[in-house]
Amino acid sequence: AQSVTQLGSHVSVSEGALVLLRCNYSSSVPPYLFWYVQYPNQGLQLLLKYTTGATLVKGINGFEAEFKKSETSFHLTKPSAHMSDAAEYFCAVIHTGTASKLTFGTGTRLQVTL
Amino acid sequence: EPEVTQTPSHQVTQMGQEVILRCVPISNHLYFYWYRQILGQKVEFLVSFYNNEISEKSEIFDDQFSVERPDGSNFTLKIRSTKLEDSAMYFCASTLFSYEQYFGPGTRLTVT
Repeated sequence: AQSVTQLGSHVSVSEGALVLLRCNYSSSVPPYLFWYVQYPNQGLQLLLKYTTGATLVKGINGFEAEFKKSETSFHLTKPSAHMSDAAEYFCAVIHTGTASKLTFGTGTRLQVTL
Repeated sequence: EPEVTQTPSHQVTQMGQEVILRCVPISNHLYFYWYRQILGQKVEFLVSFYNNEISEKSEIFDDQFSVERPDGSNFTLKIRSTKLEDSAMYFCASTLFSYEQYFGPGTRLTVT
């Protein structure tokens, strides 16, 4: 069975500071990995994904994530936080070769302060 | 840009009543999903649907739940007899391939 762990249910950064949201996964085979963002009262929007190839993937709004197989991690970063980045961020995995249900982490709420 | 739509945005129902949540997936997509998110908790998979049949369902998706794609465009989730614990945000998702799922804005179901 696969699972996703997001360390830190709440993260607060100052505007302009580095954003680092942590995600570790557990899977018997290399999964596909995703980050979704949920703004207040909205649905889930795909930020970025890793399937195969380059382990550093870039997404929308200046976010990127690096797949590290040895650490079973897929941490999300952004060099400089903006107020508009305040949202809930979910890491998710798909076990390749199955019916492709997404397994989500518990989410990290990012707060950006002035 | 094509998007997944869901109606209604908010549904209030009494315990024991039947509800139908509606979704219009992106038109050329082949795989369809329902997920739910209880307030303050993580998003949980309910069911996946492909080629007009359920391909996988979670333990949450018991006999009270059913899904249907009645007309080639809509994708519905029916809860036959709602319980208080069914109160949640329900998300529909679709994809052309078996990953990179696109989510709708959700339907907030409140059972009183």
